[in-house]
Amino acid sequence: GAVVSQHPSWVICKSGTSVKIECRSLDFQATTMFWYRQFPKQSLMLMATSNEGSKATYEQGVEKDKFLINHASLTLSTLTVTSAHPEDSSFYICSASAGEAYNEQFFGPGTRLTVL
Amino acid sequence: AQSVTQLGSHVSVSEGALVLLRCNYSSSVPPYLFWYVQYPNQGLQLLLKYTSAATLVKGINGFEAEFKKSETSFHLTKPSAHMRDAAEYFCAVKSSSYKLIFGSGTRLLVRP
Repeated sequence: GAVVSQHPSWVICKSGTSVKIECRSLDFQATTMFWYRQFPKQSLMLMATSNEGSKATYEQGVEKDKFLINHASLTLSTLTVTSAHPEDSSFYICSASAGEAYNEQFFGPGTRLTVL
Repeated sequence: AQSVTQLGSHVSVSEGALVLLRCNYSSSVPPYLFWYVQYPNQGLQLLLKYTSAATLVKGINGFEAEFKKSETSFHLTKPSAHMRDAAEYFCAVKSSSYKLIFGSGTRLLVRP
């Protein structure tokens, strides 16, 4: 089956620093990747959708200058949380899709970000 | 616009009992519906999906769901719960823009 990896699985950083999270599709080409945020005991909230080679589309209320998304290849997308603050602490999950409307999204294992 | 509603944030069953997790959807177009499971500190794993083929969909780990258009429902069931089924379950609908819209989730607790 399709496998999506995320790195790192967890990260702790100081307030004001930037953190990069990688999302890779290991055995398929992902034309579209999605980034979600999940607060404790809550559902997943879509942050942005990225298509390879083009700018990401952000959901309403998500700061594009704070959450930088790059989808430079068909197997890699990165999310950079810039100038992180404690309120950015969350579980970040990516998913990847090969593009057809009915195709499922394959989810990564998530990255736990804690900002001190 | 599409949306999903999961009734019951927590469902508790005894091991061996029937599992029923409820999901109702709203969609102006024929929906694509999904059930995912999430174990603590992990990503989501697809249990099953409905994509306008058979209305009774069988998934992994003994789960199945029935699409009922008249009731706008896609409830998840399993005849006999195992301890390992304890997890968070999310129902989702795919929007016309290919995005997944998730329900609020239901935590399944399995009592020994």
